[in-house]
Amino acid sequence: ILNVEQSPQSLHVQEGDSTNFTCSFPSSNFYALHWYRWETAKSPEALFVMTLNGDEKKKGRISATLNTKEGYSYLYIKGSQPEDSATYLCALNAGGTSYGKLTFGQGTILTVHP
Amino acid sequence: DSGVTQTPKHLITATGQRVTLRCSPRSGDLSVYWYQQSLDQGLQFLIQYYNGEERAKGNILERFSAQQFPDLHSELNLSSLELGDSALYFCASSVQPEGEKLFFGSGTQLSVL
Repeated sequence: ILNVEQSPQSLHVQEGDSTNFTCSFPSSNFYALHWYRWETAKSPEALFVMTLNGDEKKKGRISATLNTKEGYSYLYIKGSQPEDSATYLCALNAGGTSYGKLTFGQGTILTVHP
Repeated sequence: DSGVTQTPKHLITATGQRVTLRCSPRSGDLSVYWYQQSLDQGLQFLIQYYNGEERAKGNILERFSAQQFPDLHSELNLSSLELGDSALYFCASSVQPEGEKLFFGSGTQLSVL
């Protein structure tokens, strides 16, 4: 059973603060690492899919890095806005006979206060 | 709007019953995935289909079955329902069977009473 851990579980920040979360996964099983944003009453929306060690992806104020050798990924949000409030999920695609199966972490709940 | 359509949005039924959840993937997507989100669990992978064939299977109960039809829509059948089956069921799709981001539907909220 693959264990994908996210920390912290929840985070409260003020508007304008920068923040980051961590996703840890077993480094021995890796094909791709996904990040999703899940807003209340909506469905998860993909942010990034990362496949290479050292990958860095950016989308507006959100960026992510990947270290497959040590088994972690960081998601950064610069200058948080209230509309960034959501649950951020990471998911591991272990590859091999897992094919497209994603193992999701429990998520980090971000609340940005105006 | 992700382009993935799930019906129905809500379903209320009784224990022991059988229900069918339906999913139409985004136009052009060949792979369909089913996930279950219950209160105490994160998103749990159930099953994946690619171009009509089963591709990967998670911890899907024997009471649950799924298929993908030639027009690429998929159905998830849940039978002999129990209270613990109450959950939000998501369908997602992608073009390729792995390595690509998933597009999620809005989900079907199943309540078993």
